[in-house]
Amino acid sequence: ETGVTQSPTHLIKTRGQQVTLRCSSQSGHNTVSWYQQALGQGPQFIFQYYREEENGRGNFPPRFSGLQFPNYSSELNVNALELDDSALYLCASSLAQGPNTEAFFGQGTRLTVV
Amino acid sequence: RKEVEQDPGPFNVPEGATVAFNCTYSNSASQSFFWYRQDCRKEPKLLMSVYSSGNEDGRFTAQLNRASQYISLLIRDSKLSDSATYLCVVNMSPAGNKLTFGGGTRVLVKP
Repeated sequence: ETGVTQSPTHLIKTRGQQVTLRCSSQSGHNTVSWYQQALGQGPQFIFQYYREEENGRGNFPPRFSGLQFPNYSSELNVNALELDDSALYLCASSLAQGPNTEAFFGQGTRLTVV
Repeated sequence: RKEVEQDPGPFNVPEGATVAFNCTYSNSASQSFFWYRQDCRKEPKLLMSVYSSGNEDGRFTAQLNRASQYISLLIRDSKLSDSATYLCVVNMSPAGNKLTFGGGTRVLVKP
């Protein structure tokens, strides 16, 4: 177990709805990153939060937004859901910054948009 | 062109055999390199970091070739439990931990 927990584990939403996914980082980790993994593909970087500030963003539209709280837990919000948003959403936490810092992944939230 | 490219496989490997596969990356300024393992419907887990001098962890050997911009993973004496998708991961950011993943190479070890 990595100590990174995500909720819910599975979710079904209707196109056009909004969704909030949650992540509790490993104890002491102040950096949280979110990834989207479509079926048969590798995870794609959505954005990263470091000490409650967004610290980099991938190629995702503004309807993907996030928050990090003082306890370093994080939320991913997706508005106006589209069918292509169906994917496994992974949260990864790490301690501080640096290119060799190991990232620990949660088990993911599997989102299905119908 | 994708930033990190992998042969998707599958590589069908007899138990006990050796298998090797590569990954290429496009950004010559990439900072660090990893192999992650992902089991079906599970989260990725770090298998090993990849260093310029090459490194070995038990039956697993990773190599980095910066000049040709590829990394490799070799698995010796394959076990049934090695069946998984192996993700090549590159950190292209010097300041952060923004990982760029390849699409994964699927390995199936068979008796």
